[in-house]
Amino acid sequence: NAGVTQTPKFQVLKTGQSMTLQCAQDMNHEYMSWYRQDPGMGLRLIHYSVGAGITDQGEVPNGYNVSRSTTEDFPLRLLSAAPSQTSVYFCASSTGVGNTEAFFGQGTRLTVV
Amino acid sequence: AQRVTQPEKLLSVFKGAPVELKCNYSYSGSPELFWYVQYSRQRLQLLLRHISRESIKGFTADLNKGETSFHLKKPFAQEEDSAMYYCALRPFSGGYQKVTFGTGTKLQVIP
Repeated sequence: NAGVTQTPKFQVLKTGQSMTLQCAQDMNHEYMSWYRQDPGMGLRLIHYSVGAGITDQGEVPNGYNVSRSTTEDFPLRLLSAAPSQTSVYFCASSTGVGNTEAFFGQGTRLTVV
Repeated sequence: AQRVTQPEKLLSVFKGAPVELKCNYSYSGSPELFWYVQYSRQRLQLLLRHISRESIKGFTADLNKGETSFHLKKPFAQEEDSAMYYCALRPFSGGYQKVTFGTGTKLQVIP
């Protein structure tokens, strides 16, 4: 099983550039989330989705957009990259009520210079 | 608001010594507590959750509602236990509930 797949694994951007981090899951999970992982700050929720067509903001949404046109895909868009967005990004998915384990992707290490 | 505190950034123990990774939480309702582990250059994966009350890889954790703690314990550390450990909390309620992660503790097992 592929589980949760993120692409790319590594990316270097210049300040002001835009890009999309891809996330796909093949487990038919309803819930998907994006986190950023920074040293000393743990994982912080950026955006999440409870199903196709439904998204909402997490703890640190500024500078990021998401959409959920299908159950499988949940891309994260950086509109205008800033050095403060240098981080490791994780996508996660989980089923609905009754199973709360989150399955994570392998992460995308983003550096903004 | 929910909050998870892991007071130790780094915990170093010798192989064979007992391990206790501390986790304290703050939440007014009923929480679900989890421990996630991230081995070097790998994705986060669930280690255990308080609801299942199971032992994984020799680790156990008991939810202490009086002390609002969910410490992770293992009687004898192994080198392969070296990893980053995150405690997480999710409100125990229907529908989607946001998971709050602690800042993580890096466990270093010294051979």
